[in-house]
Amino acid sequence: DAKTTQPPSMDCAEGRAANLPCNHSTISGNEYVYWYRQIHSQGPQYIIHGLKNNETNEMASLIITEDRKSSTLILPHATLRDTAVYYCIVRSANAGGTSYGKLTFGQGTILTVHP
Amino acid sequence: NAGVTQTPKFQVLKTGQSMTLQCAQDMNHEYMSWYRQDPGMGLRLIHYSVGAGITDQGEVPNGYNVSRSTTEDFPLRLLSAAPSQTSVYFCASSLLAGGPGAQYFGPGTRLTVT
Repeated sequence: DAKTTQPPSMDCAEGRAANLPCNHSTISGNEYVYWYRQIHSQGPQYIIHGLKNNETNEMASLIITEDRKSSTLILPHATLRDTAVYYCIVRSANAGGTSYGKLTFGQGTILTVHP
Repeated sequence: NAGVTQTPKFQVLKTGQSMTLQCAQDMNHEYMSWYRQDPGMGLRLIHYSVGAGITDQGEVPNGYNVSRSTTEDFPLRLLSAAPSQTSVYFCASSLLAGGPGAQYFGPGTRLTVT
């Protein structure tokens, strides 16, 4: 799976949009971009994923550049409860062997939402 | 739906003891897996299952056994606990064994081995 690079930390004011970047310059054509987050002491939570097109759901939007080498997760109106570690993960839907289903969590971005 | 549930939430074991961490999901998901999370190491895949009766090893399987007799349950057994197995354990599931779908995680079991 392609390696991802994220800033170690970001701050955001409550009510403002939080834009979390991720670089994945070695992504291959069959690899998806996933975003998960982990709020302190809880299990990771799925947010959104995409292949080529931008995606939106009730939690967030995912913007993927045309060359697919980077993406941005957008939380449109951040709240204090969005303070968490956010993980950008690139994964092939067809990974086999010991990689089957495996999500590789890097260090992620610690997002702190301030009042 | 309760989603993915794990029991117990906390456990303390002595070295050499055995125990089973329970994981259940009520979403009729094919795929289930176990991860451990250690400080500075991220989450690492222990074992996974693509359906009832089918299990396989992940990247750190030593010292752990799994079985999948039903779609709903995927218990993780520690055969002889060691201090190196002190960790937070997460179970996850997804609808299909293949494809790009989301994985849903349980709340975790915090295990300390003394």
